[in-house]
Amino acid sequence: GAVVSQHPSWVICKSGTSVKIECRSLDFQATTMFWYRQFPKQSLMLMATSNEGSKATYEQGVEKDKFLINHASLTLSTLTVTSAHPEDSSFYICSARDGGGHEKLFFGSGTQLSVL
Amino acid sequence: GNSVTQMEGPVTLSEEAFLTINCTYTATGYPSLFWYVQYPGEGLQLLLKATKADDKGSNKGFEATYRKETTSFHLEKGSVQVSDSAVYFCALKSLQGAQKLVFGQGTRLTINP
Repeated sequence: GAVVSQHPSWVICKSGTSVKIECRSLDFQATTMFWYRQFPKQSLMLMATSNEGSKATYEQGVEKDKFLINHASLTLSTLTVTSAHPEDSSFYICSARDGGGHEKLFFGSGTQLSVL
Repeated sequence: GNSVTQMEGPVTLSEEAFLTINCTYTATGYPSLFWYVQYPGEGLQLLLKATKADDKGSNKGFEATYRKETTSFHLEKGSVQVSDSAVYFCALKSLQGAQKLVFGQGTRLTINP
């Protein structure tokens, strides 16, 4: 079946640094990718929707200058957490919609970010 | 707005036990309802879904019935296996507006042999 590869699976960084998370669709073209964040014991929250070749659409309350999303190709979207702070520590998950007429959604395995 | 509330975990059961994971929702209109499962080290996968009231979704021995009157979509399995150990997410998608997936917080299930 379709696979979405998300890297890294976990990352620890110092406060003030930037971290990039990659999300790749391995065997299908993803015209739309989604980025979610989950804090402990809370719901998976949609952060933004990205469409290939255009600017991402951010959900209310998500800072677009802090969470930079690039969807430069049909198989790759990246989320960069800029100037990370401890409160950005969270579990980030991407998903990709198969645009090949199936309209199915496939998820990456997630990235645990810890900011010290 | 739309929201999903799940039974708080973690849930630990013995093999062959009966499983129920509660899920209730708040939504305008009549959303589609989903259960996703995330096995260790893998991405979320669609387990089952129901698109209208009284529909029953089923897969791999799991079932959930769309109950409009109680706004619930509880996940059940009659006899769990060790391989069912995973995190389970209940979700809804409204057919109106932006049609985004709204998730619950997930329930971690551990099955002991």
